[in-house]
Amino acid sequence: QKEVEQDPGPLSVPEGAIVSLNCTYSNSAFQYFMWYRQYSRKGPELLMYTYSSGNKEDGRFTAQVDKSSKYISLFIRDSQPSDSATYLCAMRPAAGNKLTFGGGTRVLVKP
Amino acid sequence: AAGVIQSPRHLIKEKRETATLKCYPIPRHDTVYWYQQGPGQDPQFLISFYEKMQSDKGSIPDRFSAQQFSDYHSELNMSSLELGDSALYFCASSSLAGLAYYEQYFGPGTRLTVT
Repeated sequence: QKEVEQDPGPLSVPEGAIVSLNCTYSNSAFQYFMWYRQYSRKGPELLMYTYSSGNKEDGRFTAQVDKSSKYISLFIRDSQPSDSATYLCAMRPAAGNKLTFGGGTRVLVKP
Repeated sequence: AAGVIQSPRHLIKEKRETATLKCYPIPRHDTVYWYQQGPGQDPQFLISFYEKMQSDKGSIPDRFSAQQFSDYHSELNMSSLELGDSALYFCASSSLAGLAYYEQYFGPGTRLTVT
């Protein structure tokens, strides 16, 4: 079983809808949590990072972390066709550099 | 803003050949990471370097080696290539200075095809 689980999708939503993405993890040592967006054949692009449990908002993006449940979420408000991509959660422990990724969720925002 | 540069962007090699991938981190970033992403898979961590020293090691085959040079660029050397080595290889960089050291910024990747 993978340390980080993420529904592969695809997740199809109409333009303007809220996109809801989530990951669960099993390793309680994970302390830093990130969300990356990856377009086809491109490198992952860092969207959000969080450390503590709670919410963090940046423009149309909101990241949530619930360490007690080992569950993180990313919400995208007012979704646009340009948001169509694969979204990867990633996390790492307090010590060390290694990022462990979820499998990615493919999102399609239809005009 | 300057980003991570990787070269070459595409590489085709035959089985048992060697390949060298290069990574130039964002200016003033001192840490470099290498990831391998197979088709339809998430990136898998291979190895990282901080200030030219190996800082962490993941699932990197013994056939692969890497190093970071004095100008902070890094090279991933791959020998005795196998068909299963065909993948996207990403380099990422970060800086331990300040509070944002956990932010890893990825390059565009090198697509390696082994035939």
